[in-house]
Amino acid sequence: EAGVAQSPRYKIIEKRQSVAFWCNPISGHATLYWYQQILGQGPKLLIQFQNNGVVDDSQLPKDRFSAERLKGVDSTLKIQPAKLEDSAVYLCASSLDGNTEAFFGQGTRLTVV
Amino acid sequence: AQTVTQSQPEMSVQEAETVTLSCTYDTSENNYYLFWYKQPPSRQMILVIRQEAYKQQNATENRFSVNFQKAAKSFSLKISDSQLGDTAMYFCAFMKPNTDKLIFGTGTRLQVFP
Repeated sequence: EAGVAQSPRYKIIEKRQSVAFWCNPISGHATLYWYQQILGQGPKLLIQFQNNGVVDDSQLPKDRFSAERLKGVDSTLKIQPAKLEDSAVYLCASSLDGNTEAFFGQGTRLTVV
Repeated sequence: AQTVTQSQPEMSVQEAETVTLSCTYDTSENNYYLFWYKQPPSRQMILVIRQEAYKQQNATENRFSVNFQKAAKSFSLKISDSQLGDTAMYFCAFMKPNTDKLIFGTGTRLQVFP
């Protein structure tokens, strides 16, 4: 079974630039999560989708972050414009129905300079 | 709101020995799930073990076992016969059913020495 795929693995941008991350969940998984993991901290949920609908985006900084999950499969997370404090690892995860184990991708390490 | 606390930023253990990682949580819910995830340098979070709050029996997965104390809201992870490959960050996480939201602690860095 293929795992959760994320790209790119690394990205370096200057502040005020924009960046996008892509996630392909495990086939058939209805729930998709985006987490932000700042160095030395645990992952923090940014947004959660159930199929193509948003379930929870209460911690998403909506003035600069956006996410979509078209057709209930792949998802993209965008930051525009980026700030220095956005430097982190962005993890995507998926689960079959949200009450089961969440499987994680390898993450994208973003460095904003 | 639920919170998860891991009070040990770093731990070390010698190969073949046993180590216990601590986790406490705060919730007013009666039914929930608890997890331990391992994050090696590759960054991919890997599920180590899962516990349903309604189950009194402690979960066990090979060398990994938990000590779940519901009244004390404590969920510690015991790693027996530690191996070099166990070196990683370990995160405790809480999930309230039907919200599907995983809340993580700050993690414990475990170093296994030969």
